[in-house]
Amino acid sequence: KNQVEQSPQSLIILEGKNCTLQCNYTVSPFSNLRWYKQDTGRGPVSLTIMTFSENTKSNGRYTATLDADTKQSSLHITASQLSDSASYICVVTASTGTASKLTFGTGTRLQVTL
Amino acid sequence: GAGVSQSPSNKVTEKGKDVELRCDPISGHTALYWYRQSLGQGLEFLIYFQGNSAPDKSGLPSDRFSAERTGGSVSTLTIQRTQQEDSAVYLCASSLRWRTYQETQYFGPGTRLLVL
Repeated sequence: KNQVEQSPQSLIILEGKNCTLQCNYTVSPFSNLRWYKQDTGRGPVSLTIMTFSENTKSNGRYTATLDADTKQSSLHITASQLSDSASYICVVTASTGTASKLTFGTGTRLQVTL
Repeated sequence: GAGVSQSPSNKVTEKGKDVELRCDPISGHTALYWYRQSLGQGLEFLIYFQGNSAPDKSGLPSDRFSAERTGGSVSTLTIQRTQQEDSAVYLCASSLRWRTYQETQYFGPGTRLLVL
């Protein structure tokens, strides 16, 4: 069964600090992995997407890593800002030649405080 | 251009009533998806439409749920005889195409459904 597990479930950090969110998956056959940011009351917004051959992808202060061997990904947020407070969702796509299926993690809820 | 829009933004209904949720995808996007997000849960895939192909309904939880997409654009998700467990945020997303490695889904703001 395809699964995506994220940790921690929630996290509180001080503004300006760095943090790392984890995503472990058991999805096969692997196609790509995305990180989404979902603000409260809004739909998710894509941050990064990585395929099998990519092991790091940056988007401003967000840097995602992918280890396809261990089936782990991380999202590192540098110099956090109050606006980073949101849920971060890891999504893994399984794809065969004829069909694709997305599996969503339950997300990590990040709160950045003063 | 405009993003994905959904209506209504909030819907309160009584158990047993039917509801219709609407999604307007980004113009030109051929793929459209419906998801459900329950409190504290991850996104749950419901159904997707790709162009004129038959929709993938594999995620619909019961036959009370149905969806259609008219003219390859606007989509409506219908829930018949609503139950309290149907209470959730229903998210719609669209993308240019399906089955593309670099595909990105653009999400709407969601419809918050509460069944009393």
